[in-house]
Amino acid sequence: QSALSQPASVSGSPGQSTTISCTGTSTDIGSYNFVSWYQQHPGAVPKLVLYDVGYRPSGVSGRFSGSKSGYTASLIISGLQAEDEAHYYCSSYRGDRTWVFGGGTKLTVL
Amino acid sequence: QVQLVQSGPELKEPGASVKISCKASGYTFISYSIHWVRQAPGQRLEWMGWINTGTGETKYSQKFQGRITFTRDTHANIVYMELTGLTSEDTTLYHCARVTLNFGGYFDYWGQGTLVTVSS
Repeated sequence: QSALSQPASVSGSPGQSTTISCTGTSTDIGSYNFVSWYQQHPGAVPKLVLYDVGYRPSGVSGRFSGSKSGYTASLIISGLQAEDEAHYYCSSYRGDRTWVFGGGTKLTVL
Repeated sequence: QVQLVQSGPELKEPGASVKISCKASGYTFISYSIHWVRQAPGQRLEWMGWINTGTGETKYSQKFQGRITFTRDTHANIVYMELTGLTSEDTTLYHCARVTLNFGGYFDYWGQGTLVTVSS
């Protein structure tokens, strides 16, 4: 079962916006709006930052937003801050009661 | 507050089995499923499967089918994951994570992780 496809790395300067893409197939992202995103700092546990494509859990900054088009979901982080530097993983429901994660993207804040 | 607390690190020989626990607290245990996700150092998250804590129904990733078993103790609010036939490729960090029982679902709380090392 192949992972969702994410760019290995992205970068941006403080205050700028950046977008991380997550590409799947017709059996996961293309069929369901059950895409979630996780932020992981080194040595820490993954933290949910978006669910169901674009919904933010309580406590997550409004600078995080999401969208989906076709087989690709996107995480948009606006007003980049140093604390946003981390790995980001997407996940999607894949049908038949299974889930899949993306390969992860390292965000560097320049 | 919601907590998922996992058992400690394990050192196993190739071919052995390992059983890891995940104790839930701070919410109604049977209202959420528990999934298992593993992550090798510096590598991506890998979904392994899940257990419906109310019914005991399980679903495993095809990759682990045949050598993975999830069980639960609804009195102690604990979920167990047993992985057999260990190889060096199983040396990694294993997380449990809570997911709503609604269709779809997302991983909103995670255990701290249990490091399993497979070495002779």
